[in-house]
Amino acid sequence: QSALTQPASVSGSPGQSITISCTGTSSDVGGFDYVSWFQQHPGKAPKLMIYEVAKWPSGVSNRFSGSKSGNTASLTISGLQADDEADYYCTSFTTSSTWVFGGGTKLTVL
Amino acid sequence: EVQLVESGGGVVQPGGSLRLSCGVSGFTLSSYWMHWVRQGPGRGLVWLSRIYDSTTYADAVKGRFTISRDNAKNTVYLQLSSLTVEDTAVYYCVRGDPGYGVFQLWGQGTLVTVSS
Repeated sequence: QSALTQPASVSGSPGQSITISCTGTSSDVGGFDYVSWFQQHPGKAPKLMIYEVAKWPSGVSNRFSGSKSGNTASLTISGLQADDEADYYCTSFTTSSTWVFGGGTKLTVL
Repeated sequence: EVQLVESGGGVVQPGGSLRLSCGVSGFTLSSYWMHWVRQGPGRGLVWLSRIYDSTTYADAVKGRFTISRDNAKNTVYLQLSSLTVEDTAVYYCVRGDPGYGVFQLWGQGTLVTVSS
């Protein structure tokens, strides 16, 4: 159950778009369309932003979008805003009927 | 109000045990998968365990942690044992909505510190 691989950090300017990748294996990301993405601000509980690769929970902006190709999932944030600055985590269901998270990506809005 | 409230965290010595509780309100506990996720200081999220009609565990805690639930008390538990300093973390209770990985409802977390 190795953690999914995410870049440690990404950055972008307000109004720009950024993409965060999440790489796993055929036993997790590549094997199921059950990838979720979470946003976490300092000292707060994580917030679900995307589930089942590309679906939005109620109340989440469509500036956030998800996709997947093979063993890599991606989260794209368009029209960057200052409040988007946070840590982002992916997670996937696995063939062991468990879940595995990525190591997290710190997004800096310049 | 739909919410999860964790309790039971604290300071425990290496090798010790602790039981965390997650009180739920605003929904029927028996209808949902419930999970525990932890986050070490300055570190990422780690999925630990899930309960519904059966239980599953991450390899890192299998045999040391036990998840259980009492639907009548609207409470989910996580029994921690044989604790090491690496278990120091904020422990979150999470509701799994229909689907897989639909972790939309989180508690505020409870801090477990393993230290001598």
